[in-house]
Amino acid sequence: DSGVTQTPKHLITATGQRVTLRCSPRSGDLSVYWYQQSLDQGLQFLIQYYNGEERAKGNILERFSAQQFPDLHSELNLSSLELGDSALYFCASSGVGGGLLNTGELFFGEGSRLTVL
Amino acid sequence: KNQVEQSPQSLIILEGKNCTLQCNYTVSPFSNLRWYKQDTGRGPVSLTIMTFSENTKSNGRYTATLDADTKQSSLHITASQLSDSASYICVVSVRNYGGSQGNLIFGKGTKLSVKP
Repeated sequence: DSGVTQTPKHLITATGQRVTLRCSPRSGDLSVYWYQQSLDQGLQFLIQYYNGEERAKGNILERFSAQQFPDLHSELNLSSLELGDSALYFCASSGVGGGLLNTGELFFGEGSRLTVL
Repeated sequence: KNQVEQSPQSLIILEGKNCTLQCNYTVSPFSNLRWYKQDTGRGPVSLTIMTFSENTKSNGRYTATLDADTKQSSLHITASQLSDSASYICVVSVRNYGGSQGNLIFGKGTKLSVKP
């Protein structure tokens, strides 16, 4: 158990709809990352938050948005869903501690599997 | 552009055999390199971390090497088991002088299948 909790585990919805994925990081971790993994593909970085603020942005579509709340949980909002958005969405958290003290290990949740029909 | 390339893309070996997975990177400034194991449908789990000064590190049957001069890393699996079937992902961290996590550059992974 990585200590990162993602809900829901599975989600089936229709094209054009909107869904929200939730992530609770490990206790004490300030950084939250979101990744998308399509079938048999590598992990695609979407976005990173650090202590409530957006830290880095990857290949995230404009239809997607995310935020990190004061209690450090994060939500990824996916709107106007398309068939191609079907994928596993992973959240990962990382410990605080800058520079050489931060080894940068990511702790991944079990993912939310989104199916768009 | 920072990139991480892994080879082979996929690999099938018989149980009990050894194998080596490769990771080449063009990342600067380099901070560290991690190998993750991802079981199908599960989140990746860190196997080992290599920093600039480390050449070899073992974690049970897994041995990682790093050549910082040629910017290459390998993951050697000894006496493979059926449970080793997974994707192995190489992730290189870019040093961020701001003191935070730094950028993480992911390889696409090598899919290993161990057959009985």
